[in-house]
Amino acid sequence: LAKTTQPISMDSYEGQEVNITCSHNNIATNDYITWYQQFPSQGPRFIIQGYKTKVTNEVASLFIPADRKSSTLSLPRVSLSDTAVYYCLVGDGTGGFKTIFGAGTRLFVKA
Amino acid sequence: KAGVTQTPRYLIKTRGQQVTLSCSPISGHRSVSWYQQTPGQGLQFLFEYFSETQRNKGNFPGRFSGRQFSNSRSEMNVSTLELGDSALYLCASSLVGGTYGYTFGSGTRLTVV
Repeated sequence: LAKTTQPISMDSYEGQEVNITCSHNNIATNDYITWYQQFPSQGPRFIIQGYKTKVTNEVASLFIPADRKSSTLSLPRVSLSDTAVYYCLVGDGTGGFKTIFGAGTRLFVKA
Repeated sequence: KAGVTQTPRYLIKTRGQQVTLSCSPISGHRSVSWYQQTPGQGLQFLFEYFSETQRNKGNFPGRFSGRQFSNSRSEMNVSTLELGDSALYLCASSLVGGTYGYTFGSGTRLTVV
């Protein structure tokens, strides 16, 4: 199971773009990269998932370099409501997916 | 469509008692996973069930157990409760597993006194 490493915390201001990078040196060929967002006392919420290159949806973009040993979650123009913990997960979901959440990155958006 | 439903939302138990928590996954989802979240330890994986079979288990003592029914609903049980079991217990469902992303419930807040 690929272990992930993320910064413990990040600060930003409203309106800025925030990039959170996750390292996963032992990622396997079949593994996908998934990001979740969690607010206090709530369950994590799925943000985005990708395998390689770039994925974009209505809330974020995910950049994955060719070697796939890292990935970057990009949040455009953050607002105060984006203050949350962001988790990066790696796994293939086949044969039993033992989802292991790391410590996550605590993003604090200031006015 | 309805999300993942966990009941009860809050629970207070006494040390030594046992507790059963329930999780109803999204319709059609066959994988259900359980997590314990505490301020000190973060999100810890308990176990995952798929089609009524436990196919993954985390590093928790045998006091923590679970099961899944034919309709994919799942329960987890904690026996002989300890103060350290106080936590937010989260359930997540997925079609077949993590590849397609999990949808989490709002959790059950368990307080052991």
